[in-house]
Amino acid sequence: QQPVQSPQAVILREGEDAVINCSSSKALYSVHWYRQKHGEAPVFLMILLKGGEQKGHDKISASFNEKKQQSSLYLTASQLSYSGTYFCGTGQGAQKLVFGQGTRLTINP
Amino acid sequence: DAMVIQNPRYQVTQFGKPVTLSCSQTLNHNVMYWYQQKSSQAPKLLFHYYDKDFNNEADTPDNFQSRRPNTSFCFLDIRSPGLGDAAMYLCATSRDPTGREKLFFGSGTQLSVL
Repeated sequence: QQPVQSPQAVILREGEDAVINCSSSKALYSVHWYRQKHGEAPVFLMILLKGGEQKGHDKISASFNEKKQQSSLYLTASQLSYSGTYFCGTGQGAQKLVFGQGTRLTINP
Repeated sequence: DAMVIQNPRYQVTQFGKPVTLSCSQTLNHNVMYWYQQKSSQAPKLLFHYYDKDFNNEADTPDNFQSRRPNTSFCFLDIRSPGLGDAAMYLCATSRDPTGREKLFFGSGTQLSVL
């Protein structure tokens, strides 16, 4: 079952913050976050495994709620390099990772 | 150094002409995945291998086949490509088959069908 991401698209000015959400109707084994630039492969950002977990590096962080049905990705003081499409991938059982439909992030100078 | 390598980067084939895409890895990971990604869409899992065990997604067309002759290599065969098969094909690997380890993606093969 494909997770639902929101919003579908975000346009920001450099230095602004953004939040991208990923939700499922079922409890998840894991949540992955990837960023993909046009014509390139997805690049891993982080993975969350435990309910209530929060993780981050630099100005990008993520949380996984207690019920393990929702995750949010936080981008703080966005930089031009943050532009791209963000996908959450959810582990829904053995040997399977399903991606959400993506959130396109555009950062303008 | 590239860890998951896909060849070719761009592939053009004719309608109905079989085509093979290749993927190799230097990570010695047990799991290898093939995803299909159409423009502005999410990557869609076609199938994956856990060691030699092949796992096909229920909605993957029979037109798509895969081979994994050894740990390092995996191939995607499209027996009779149609126009709807034009897409980016992404190979990925992971250590763990349960989705609890990150995926390492190759740079992808962009397939065009004429």
